[in-house]
Amino acid sequence: DTGVSQNPRHKITKRGQNVTFRCDPISEHNRLYWYRQTLGQGPEFLTYFQNEAQLEKSRLLSDRFSAERPKGSFSTLEIQRTEQGDSAMYLCASSFAGREPQHFGDGTRLSIL
Amino acid sequence: DQQVKQNSPSLSVQEGRISILNCDYTNSMFDYFLWYKKYPAEGPTFLISISSIKDKNEDGRFTVFLNKSAKHLSLHIVPSQPGDSAVYFCAASEGTGRRALTFGSGTRLQVQP
Repeated sequence: DTGVSQNPRHKITKRGQNVTFRCDPISEHNRLYWYRQTLGQGPEFLTYFQNEAQLEKSRLLSDRFSAERPKGSFSTLEIQRTEQGDSAMYLCASSFAGREPQHFGDGTRLSIL
Repeated sequence: DQQVKQNSPSLSVQEGRISILNCDYTNSMFDYFLWYKKYPAEGPTFLISISSIKDKNEDGRFTVFLNKSAKHLSLHIVPSQPGDSAVYFCAASEGTGRRALTFGSGTRLQVQP
């Protein structure tokens, strides 16, 4: 049983660059979530998909952020023109609608130089 | 505005004793509550959950209690083991269909051998 897989595990980039993260959910799960976690805080919800439809976006998801799940399987989260404040752990989770809980990947740690 | 609060940043207990982790919430629309455990460099791992129609749920050494009138839940671990040392997050969600989780800031549990 493969769990939620996230790549890369760590991304270091210069301020102003674009970055893209990938999440592969558990295969039978139709819901996919993105969260962001900063030091000393719990994960904060960013957005979620049911199949390929993006059903909800948080206020935290500024217009520099975009997420896709084109075929209802894997998802990508892109951040354009990165800023220092984007430095965080980006977590992906998946679940089967109507059957909780959400299962998390190990995250992608983004460091902005 | 923190809707889920974990007021104790850390807790230390002796091996074999009971660990009690607490969580308070303010949103009366929350109807599903979860506890996750997180080790360094890993994503959160689901431990146990409870629906608002119950006041207790037990799974092995882990029991979650929900007091809806006080908007308070707690996680009991009995007996505590050194391998339980981790950060524990309380999370909540509201309404059917909307399953974005709102997390507390976590409590670091240290179980002393």
